[in-house]
Amino acid sequence: DTGVSQDPRHKITKRGQNVTFRCDPISEHNRLYWYRQTLGQGPEFLTYFQNEAQLEKSRLLSDRFSAERPKGSFSTLEIQRTEQGDSAMYLCASSLQSSYNEQFFGPGTRLTVL
Amino acid sequence: DQQVKQNSPSLSVQEGRISILNCDYTNSMFDYFLWYKKYPAEGPTFLISISSIKDKNEDGRFTVFLNKSAKHLSLHIVPSQPGDSAVYFCAASGGAQKLVFGQGTRLTINP
Repeated sequence: DTGVSQDPRHKITKRGQNVTFRCDPISEHNRLYWYRQTLGQGPEFLTYFQNEAQLEKSRLLSDRFSAERPKGSFSTLEIQRTEQGDSAMYLCASSLQSSYNEQFFGPGTRLTVL
Repeated sequence: DQQVKQNSPSLSVQEGRISILNCDYTNSMFDYFLWYKKYPAEGPTFLISISSIKDKNEDGRFTVFLNKSAKHLSLHIVPSQPGDSAVYFCAASGGAQKLVFGQGTRLTINP
């Protein structure tokens, strides 16, 4: 399978705990994006990388959120001191760098904060 | 501020008929528009796209129309099939970076 993969698919945690998600993009894609989707809404942009450089972060990405892409391949998204409002589907997507980008999404990680 | 809007939360169409999903946007800097399809417990799947220099793009049963003056785009599916039942998201991009999504329209194809 050469698509975008995400791990874990589901995560249940208690409020105040830290969680980390992983995304493996399509191998030749140099752009990687994180989105968050809540019930009844479309995905909302969080941040994106071109190779290992983080080029843009949304104001939705509070100080408790951090994302890395250390070698320009896989990426991690960490949420510290989770809150119930962090419960959502976290989606990763990747694309080639081009004038028009079709982003390909992974299956997502569903986070539930109790 | 919702820059991309899908005003119909749901749409029901009979199998074999045409499905028309609509999307409006407010940001004139958007230059690329995409439609994604999403099944439960899966990530969005890319369907079809159109750049702002075109007004129509076709791919099999799927056609996207763009009306820049009205800041409106639509997705036509014909003929509609039961497997088309899913949530459809319209998305827009300016500068080939982040996508801005609408709220989605749940399409149900009835036999």
